[in-house]
Amino acid sequence: AQSVSQHNHHVILSEAASLELGCNYSYGGTVNLFWYVQYPGQHLQLLLKYFSGDPLVKGIKGFEAEFIKSKFSFNLRKPSVQWSDTAEYFCAVSPWGAGNNRKLIWGLGTSLAVNP
Amino acid sequence: GAGVSQSPSNKVTEKGKDVELRCDPISGHTALYWYRQRLGQGLEFLIYFQGNSAPDKSGLPSDRFSAERTGESVSTLTIQRTQQEDSAVYLCASSAQNIQYFGAGTRLSVL
Repeated sequence: AQSVSQHNHHVILSEAASLELGCNYSYGGTVNLFWYVQYPGQHLQLLLKYFSGDPLVKGIKGFEAEFIKSKFSFNLRKPSVQWSDTAEYFCAVSPWGAGNNRKLIWGLGTSLAVNP
Repeated sequence: GAGVSQSPSNKVTEKGKDVELRCDPISGHTALYWYRQRLGQGLEFLIYFQGNSAPDKSGLPSDRFSAERTGESVSTLTIQRTQQEDSAVYLCASSAQNIQYFGAGTRLSVL
C-alpha cells in the first residue's frame, strides 16, 4: 500500500538552529510532493511543492525541500528556525496513475516547537 | 469567498444522533475532498468529488458516512448514528492544479 513516513514526530529546537524533517514515501511511479504547515489555531496551508524540474524547491518563509527520487525522499529544511515556525508539519504525496484520482497520502505529521 | 469555508466550526452531539457538516469550496475549484483528522494522527482521506464524475468514496469508514455535492459548489458530509470514535476534526479541501486548499475544519465531539 502507498504510504508516507515522517521520521520525527516531535522536534524541539532553539531559535537559529537548523531544521531538517524527514519524509519518505512508498510508490514507484511519478509523484507530486507537498509539505503543508499548520500553525497553532490556523488551518493547513501549503508550504512548498514539487511537481517536476529542479528537485530542490523553495517555499515560503525560507523553507526548502529536496526531492531525491532514488531514496523516495522529500526532506524539508530550513537553515535557521524562528519561534514563529512553531507548528505542525505534514508531508503529502500525490501518486499519478489510474485510479489515484489525485488523492493525497499524508504522513502523520511532525510537531515542531521552537524555543525563543 | 476567498477561501474554503466550513461550518459549523465546532459540533457537540450525543451518541446516536446524526450530524451534517458543510463545506463551501473556493469558487471555480472543481475538485473537493473530505478528510478526517483524529487527535495526534495524520489526515485520513474520506471522499473525493471531481466535477460531474462519480465521487471516489473509497475512504468512507462505514455506511454511516455519506457525502453529497451540488454541482461544483457546496458539499455536505453526513454522519448517521454517530459513535464516540467519530470524534475528530473533519477537514474539507478544494483543489486547483493539484494543490489543495483547506478550510479550518469542523471539530466534532460525540458524547
